Amino acid sequence: DVKVTQSSRYLVKRTGEKVFLECVQDMDHENMFWYRQDPGLGLRLIYFSYDVKMKEKGDIPEGYSVSREKKERFSLILESASTNQTSMYLCASRRYYGAVLPNEQFFGPGTRLTVL
Amino acid sequence: GIQVEQSPPDLILQEGANSTLRCNFSDSVNNLQWFHQNPWGQLINLFYIPSGTKQNGRLSATTVATERYSLLYISSSQTTDSGVYFCAVDRSYGQNFVFGPGTRLSVLP
Repeated sequence: DVKVTQSSRYLVKRTGEKVFLECVQDMDHENMFWYRQDPGLGLRLIYFSYDVKMKEKGDIPEGYSVSREKKERFSLILESASTNQTSMYLCASRRYYGAVLPNEQFFGPGTRLTVL
Repeated sequence: GIQVEQSPPDLILQEGANSTLRCNFSDSVNNLQWFHQNPWGQLINLFYIPSGTKQNGRLSATTVATERYSLLYISSSQTTDSGVYFCAVDRSYGQNFVFGPGTRLSVLP
């Protein structure tokens, strides 16, 4: 059974703190993604990675960085958390370009982050 | 970039009713998925359907790629079907999906 896990379901941090959100997948997928979801704005891509140590900016990368040191793990880092980063964060993974179909994207359970 | 629209934005049904959700996209796509987001926020894969028709129990989906739309059918709805249904598409393998705004479904007992 495919599985994407995230380190926390709920997280409360203070403004200015450094925040790490971790995502682990056990499907040997090459591509991993971080999205945030906000009411009225839908799901927006923050960053994605298509290989170890590789990263690409998504639609809203400002205020975030990522790290992918191992194939199964993709971390999202908020260097100095701000209240406007309060949101639901969703991690996902899928196979590489050209992989045998179907090439579905699978999501983790999400992390609800509150920045006070 | 590619645009994805979903309709209706909100839908309220009595338990047992049938419904059809629609997804329109502005350009040709290589991949299309339907997801259900449950009340706890988890996105559950329903269908991977870039073209054709698939069925899974009470749910079925049809994508007409040449006309740039997909339909999700829910029959004999149950309260557990409540949540938000998202359509997501992409144009090239390995890249991210673009999500529609979702349809919020409420099934009343």
